[in-house]
Amino acid sequence: QTVVTQEPSFSVSPGGTVTLTCGLSSGSVSTNYYPSWYQQTPGQAPRTLIYSTNTRSSGVPDRFSGSILGNKAALTITGAQADDESDYYCVLYMGSGIWVFGGGTKLTVL
Amino acid sequence: EVQMLESGGGLVQPGGSLRLSCAASGFTFSGFGITWVRQGPGKGLEWVSFSGSTGGTYYADSVKGRFTISRDNSKNTLYLQMNSLRAEDTAVYYCARRGVPVANQYFDYWGQGTLVTVSS
Repeated sequence: QTVVTQEPSFSVSPGGTVTLTCGLSSGSVSTNYYPSWYQQTPGQAPRTLIYSTNTRSSGVPDRFSGSILGNKAALTITGAQADDESDYYCVLYMGSGIWVFGGGTKLTVL
Repeated sequence: EVQMLESGGGLVQPGGSLRLSCAASGFTFSGFGITWVRQGPGKGLEWVSFSGSTGGTYYADSVKGRFTISRDNSKNTLYLQMNSLRAEDTAVYYCARRGVPVANQYFDYWGQGTLVTVSS
């Protein structure tokens, strides 16, 4: 059973920088997992932020960036704004038509 | 403009069945893979099933053998037939399009979701 791990919660000050991570219960995340990131506010559908590790989706501000940091995928928000307060989900492609979402990170901006 | 619109949710008793639909527009439906993702109350997103543009179908272990994904390209519609429903299947069900290029393995457009409640 593959488990994708994310920090349950994180806090950042307005204007600050925060890095959220996405790991595997067993093994390392690499670009071969095509990590993607989604933002979701309560009651809304997810919004695609980053795909294929570090490609921003159309219309996503450049304060959002993706990378591989060590053995995890990472989403960095530089210059956090109040409306960045959301839940953030990573998802990894396991191959053979299977994806696994992480448990999500609740980001607070205060 | 790409749009994904789910329907078919509702209240169903444990052990019952329900069929969800996802009507797509604004793109050539037959050329894209489409997925179902669900979110239980107060919980995170969970990948459920995927229908590839070439006919392949894939399922999460949690629904395998109970759910069936299908598509009607003539109607630009994806379906999810859900049988033997359990309380833990209670969730908002989203459909989403697999983005391009397909090698990037992500979802680019999402519907607003339809709520399925399994309860007696």
